[in-house]
Amino acid sequence: ETGVTQSPTHLIKTRGQQVTLRCSSQSGHNTVSWYQQALGQGPQFIFQYYREEENGRGNFPPRFSGLQFPNYSSELNVNALELDDSALYLCASSRNGRIDLTDTQYFGPGTRLTVL
Amino acid sequence: DAKTTQPNSMESNEEEPVHLPCNHSTISGTDYIHWYRQLPSQGPEYVIHGLTSNVNNRMASLAIAEDRKSSTLILHRATLRDAAVYYCILSAKGTASKLTFGTGTRLQVTL
Repeated sequence: ETGVTQSPTHLIKTRGQQVTLRCSSQSGHNTVSWYQQALGQGPQFIFQYYREEENGRGNFPPRFSGLQFPNYSSELNVNALELDDSALYLCASSRNGRIDLTDTQYFGPGTRLTVL
Repeated sequence: DAKTTQPNSMESNEEEPVHLPCNHSTISGTDYIHWYRQLPSQGPEYVIHGLTSNVNNRMASLAIAEDRKSSTLILHRATLRDAAVYYCILSAKGTASKLTFGTGTRLQVTL
């Protein structure tokens, strides 16, 4: 069983640019959640996709957007990058985020984004 | 989501049991208690979860107070590989995959 993978592992961008991060979910999982983890903090929930539809969003501005594809892989897009967007971006997949009351999250290793 | 309170850091000797506490005095009757841990340079990893009864799995045990206002994650024999940040998280019904992490407890394990 392949785990959650993310690409790229590291990325450096400048303020104002746009970035796309990618996530492949674990086999058999239809739900993908994205989190932002600033240095020294716990991960913060950005949004979740369930079967290609957004299924919940945290307190992040609209310049954070996403997609989920028919194979349940996902992308996180961030427009107009700001210095504070520098963080580790984590993707997590789960079996069924809409139905399972205790849906366990399986996290990828993350993408480290640095905005200069 | 209800909040949790954890100590910032704890230390343990290898091969000894570790009890990681978590207070959640505003927990509601349907909130689940989840524990995840994050090893250095990795994404978080599921450890255990429970609702009312104590739970055991191959990684750890979860002891839940009778009034559910606190819980304790028990690692029966800590190893160096258990050094990580441990997060205690509450999830309301249907939100187990939209987790609200705090800052967790950093566990150091020494020889």
